[in-house]
Amino acid sequence: DAGVIQSPRHEVTEMGQEVTLRCKPISGHDYLFWYRQTMMRGLELLIYFNNNVPIDDSGMPEDRFSAKMPNASFSTLKIQPSEPRDSAVYFCASTPGLAGDEQYFGPGTRLTVT
Amino acid sequence: GDSVTQMEGPVTLSEEAFLTINCTYTATGYPSLFWYVQYPGEGLQLLLKATKADDKGSNKGFEATYRKETTSFHLEKGSVQVSDSAVYFCALGPLSSGSARQLTFGSGTQLTVLP
Repeated sequence: DAGVIQSPRHEVTEMGQEVTLRCKPISGHDYLFWYRQTMMRGLELLIYFNNNVPIDDSGMPEDRFSAKMPNASFSTLKIQPSEPRDSAVYFCASTPGLAGDEQYFGPGTRLTVT
Repeated sequence: GDSVTQMEGPVTLSEEAFLTINCTYTATGYPSLFWYVQYPGEGLQLLLKATKADDKGSNKGFEATYRKETTSFHLEKGSVQVSDSAVYFCALGPLSSGSARQLTFGSGTQLTVLP
């Protein structure tokens, strides 16, 4: 298996622009997670899905952030409008779903908002 | 709520030194416990895990034992290498009886091993 795939790997955009990050989970995994990692705040869970349905979005920082999972093999995280404080590395992870299962992380998207 | 307290870094060691990174947790029930490692420019990857009390997880010379009496899961390695330089995260997993599936991560410990 190719593992969790994220695109793009790097994104540089100007403040106010829309940014869309993409994730393809491992086939057969029922759960998908979006995280944000910064030096100041560490690793934060933004939202997670079970069978394409959002289960917990309490970590989504503002209404500027939205996430969708239209099917089992694709998810997006959108920021509109973007701000410099959104600069971070965004990770997607997936897991089969049993309590003792590990999460498999993608390589991340490094977002820079200028 | 559930929480993980991890030894603050950064930690700098010489090659072949002994490593301990402390991790304690607060949780109800019997969660699974994990250690993840993040190499520069990469995502997190599982290093080892333990799913019940007294279990020992091990991988690549690293070990950690699930100690319920002390609510700890300390990471150890007898002889570190330069290639072990990375950030290490302790994480607490969901209860098998619950429906939630998110992990609770510690703040991470930066390890640098000098030749």
